[in-house]
Amino acid sequence: DAKTTQPPSMDCAEGRAANLPCNHSTISGNEYVYWYRQIHSQGPQYIIHGLKNNETNEMASLIITEDRKSSTLILPHATLRDTAVYYCIVLNYGGSQGNLIFGKGTKLSVKP
Amino acid sequence: DGGITQSPKYLFRKEGQNVTLSCEQNLNHDAMYWYRQDPGQGLRLIYYSQIVNDFQKGDIAEGYSVSREKKESFPLTVTSAQKNPTAFYLCASSIVGQGPGEKLFFGSGTQLSVL
Repeated sequence: DAKTTQPPSMDCAEGRAANLPCNHSTISGNEYVYWYRQIHSQGPQYIIHGLKNNETNEMASLIITEDRKSSTLILPHATLRDTAVYYCIVLNYGGSQGNLIFGKGTKLSVKP
Repeated sequence: DGGITQSPKYLFRKEGQNVTLSCEQNLNHDAMYWYRQDPGQGLRLIYYSQIVNDFQKGDIAEGYSVSREKKESFPLTVTSAQKNPTAFYLCASSIVGQGPGEKLFFGSGTQLSVL
């Protein structure tokens, strides 16, 4: 599975959009991009996933570049409760969820 | 409410002692997983099971054992052979065969420390 690169940390003002980048330049055609987040001392929580089209749900939007080598997770109106570590992961279609590789992610700090 | 329950929240192990971490789910999920997380690090897969009475080793299975006698339960035993057991342990479950929409549901974790 392709490797991802994320900045180790980011800050965001409360109420503003948080844009979290992820680089996955070696992604292959059948690999999906997943985003999870982990609030301190809790288990990770699924946010969103996509293949090549932009996706939106009640939590966030996922923007994937046309060449699929990078993506951005957007939290449109960040709140203090969005402070967490955000993981960007790629996985083959049909691949076992056990093969999701949770790296160090991006620690997002939302500030008042 | 449906979900995954891990217990205890905190656990202490003495030298040479085996300890068992509990994981129960009522989501009717086929697959269950155990991960280990060290401070400031990502998650590493210890064991996983996709069906009752069957399980596979993950990346760091040495010093750990599991059983899957019931669909709802996947206990993890940290044996005395695990020389550095202090970590945050996370249990997860998922539906098998759902395709790309399949996602992991996690418990709230158990913090294991050595006395």
